[in-house]
Amino acid sequence: QKEVEQDPGPLSVPEGAIVSLNCTYSNSAFQYFMWYRQYSRKGPELLMYTYSSGNKEDGRFTAQVDKSSKYISLFIRDSQPSDSATYLCAWWGTSYGKLTFGQGTILTVHP
Amino acid sequence: TAGITQAPTSQILAAGRSMTLRCTQDMRHNAMYWYRQDLGLGLRLIHYSNTAGTTGKGEVPDGYSVSRANTDDFPLTLASAVPSQTSVYFCASSESEGQGDTEAFFGQGTRLTVV
Repeated sequence: QKEVEQDPGPLSVPEGAIVSLNCTYSNSAFQYFMWYRQYSRKGPELLMYTYSSGNKEDGRFTAQVDKSSKYISLFIRDSQPSDSATYLCAWWGTSYGKLTFGQGTILTVHP
Repeated sequence: TAGITQAPTSQILAAGRSMTLRCTQDMRHNAMYWYRQDLGLGLRLIHYSNTAGTTGKGEVPDGYSVSRANTDDFPLTLASAVPSQTSVYFCASSESEGQGDTEAFFGQGTRLTVV
């Protein structure tokens, strides 16, 4: 079983919609969680990170962690076509002690 | 600042041939990584290096080798390519061995097709 599971989508929404992207993880020792964004034919870039439980907000983006249910979420408000990308949850995991990624969710925001 | 540079951008390779994917970083990061990205499987770690002179195996190391002769360069070699190695390869680096909120920086990727 992978340490994290992420619905690969694809997810298609109209411009202005609220988007919810989710991951579940299995190791309760994880404390820092990150979201990377990857545009087509580009490398991933760090979007934001959050620590332990609770929310972290950055503009239209909110990262949420629910440690009791081992659930990580990224919310995008007022989604824009420029948000179309693959979103990957990630953390420095125990497997090989290196940056471990979920499968990634492909998001398309259409005008 | 260039960050991480990978070469080539894309390559078609005959099965059985060898190839080296190049990766150079100008951030003086200690740790470097090689990932492969396949549809439905996400990014999987092939090899890593915590500092110059040391390397380690990741999740999918078979068929690949790496070296870290200096801080800046981390080449990935396929000794005898097979079609299952068709993938997009990403090199990445981080300032130190990753933990907590350490950020990893990625190159633009190398698209490799083995035929």
